[in-house]
Amino acid sequence: DAGVIQSPRHEVTEMGQEVTLRCKPISGHDYLFWYRQTMMRGLELLIYFNNNVPIDDSGMPEDRFSAKMPNASFSTLKIQPSEPRDSAVYFCASTGAGGGSYEQYFGPGTRLTVT
Amino acid sequence: KQEVTQIPAALSVPEGENLVLNCSFTDSAIYNLQWFRQDPGKGLTSLLLIQSSQREQTSGRLNASLDKSSGRSTLYIAASQPGDSATYLCAVRNTPLVFGKGTRLSVIA
Repeated sequence: DAGVIQSPRHEVTEMGQEVTLRCKPISGHDYLFWYRQTMMRGLELLIYFNNNVPIDDSGMPEDRFSAKMPNASFSTLKIQPSEPRDSAVYFCASTGAGGGSYEQYFGPGTRLTVT
Repeated sequence: KQEVTQIPAALSVPEGENLVLNCSFTDSAIYNLQWFRQDPGKGLTSLLLIQSSQREQTSGRLNASLDKSSGRSTLYIAASQPGDSATYLCAVRNTPLVFGKGTRLSVIA
């Protein structure tokens, strides 16, 4: 398997623009997680899905953020409108119950810069 | 609410030294604990996963231990090498993972 795939790897946008980040989890994994990493706050969980259903979105900072998982192989995280304080690295991760381990695998991340 | 603390925040050691990274957590009702490595500008790579019923896991020069009752885990790195330089993150799973802020390790040749 190619691992968790994220696109784009880098995104630079102007304040007020819409940003869409994409993720393809590892095939067969039934959990998908979106994280944000900054120097100040470290890694923060934004939202996670189980079997394509959002389970906990309490980490989503505000209504400008939304996430969807239309099928088992694709998820998006959208920011509209974007603000400079949204600049961070956004990671997607997936995990499954294979062997009961629930080991979590991360994608390479999307580095977002909002100017 | 689960809180994960990693000490020290940064560590610099000469090549060849054995070292220990510490992780503590406040809620012992965890499913597992996972250690990750993160290189600058890169994603997270899973190093070791310890299930709640296990006491330790080993992979090459790495050994991770878990003491659930005291809320502690340690990552032991034997014979450190410059290539081990990275940030090491500990994460515990209630559901979902809760991360510490990491220990930034520098191994000096």
